[in-house]
Amino acid sequence: AQSVTQLDSQVPVFEEAPVELRCNYSSSVSVYLFWYVQYPNQGLQLLLKYLSGSTLVESINGFEAEFNKSQTSFHLRKPSVHISDTAEYFCAVSENNAGNMLTFGGGTRLMVKP
Amino acid sequence: GAVVSQHPSWVICKSGTSVKIECRSLDFQATTMFWYRQFPKQSLMLMATSNEGSKATYEQGVEKDKFLINHASLTLSTLTVTSAHPEDSSFYICSGIPHLGNTEAFFGQGTRLTVV
Repeated sequence: AQSVTQLDSQVPVFEEAPVELRCNYSSSVSVYLFWYVQYPNQGLQLLLKYLSGSTLVESINGFEAEFNKSQTSFHLRKPSVHISDTAEYFCAVSENNAGNMLTFGGGTRLMVKP
Repeated sequence: GAVVSQHPSWVICKSGTSVKIECRSLDFQATTMFWYRQFPKQSLMLMATSNEGSKATYEQGVEKDKFLINHASLTLSTLTVTSAHPEDSSFYICSGIPHLGNTEAFFGQGTRLTVV
């Protein structure tokens, strides 16, 4: 069985400030890790994923996440946020690299203020 | 990425009535679709996996007679909440797996169900 914990349900931050959204997981087997973003009134979109190789993965819009096996974490970071980053962010794990059998965290609402 | 459309986005219904939620893959064929539910301040929880042309596989604790899933075509899966009660009020979201190629799941925008 797997579980995912997102420690912060809401993260308010000012525009251009750095942000970290925390994600910890537990699993008895090797997992693959994902971050999804949900903008208002839209479906979940894959932001980035770790399947293998380099533990630091990046998205096209400046987010990055680092897989830390010893700490069972996959925190999401961005050095400078924009208003447009305001959204709900979900961390998820899967036992397969296709990302279709997902266990989600509770989500973190990132609120970027001007 | 591929597009999954979920309808309606929100619905309010009376206790005891049934509600149907549609999940359509607009630009790909989805042999497999997943239905999730999210209660307030809780995780998205997988309810069931549906494969086109066969019966859905339900996760433990999900009542198959209450949450009827039909996946009659490669582009449409429906979830019907039968005899809805206030405790069924939740956010329901579906995802689809393309028939060919990339097996990444693509999500609909979700449906907010409120039972009064």
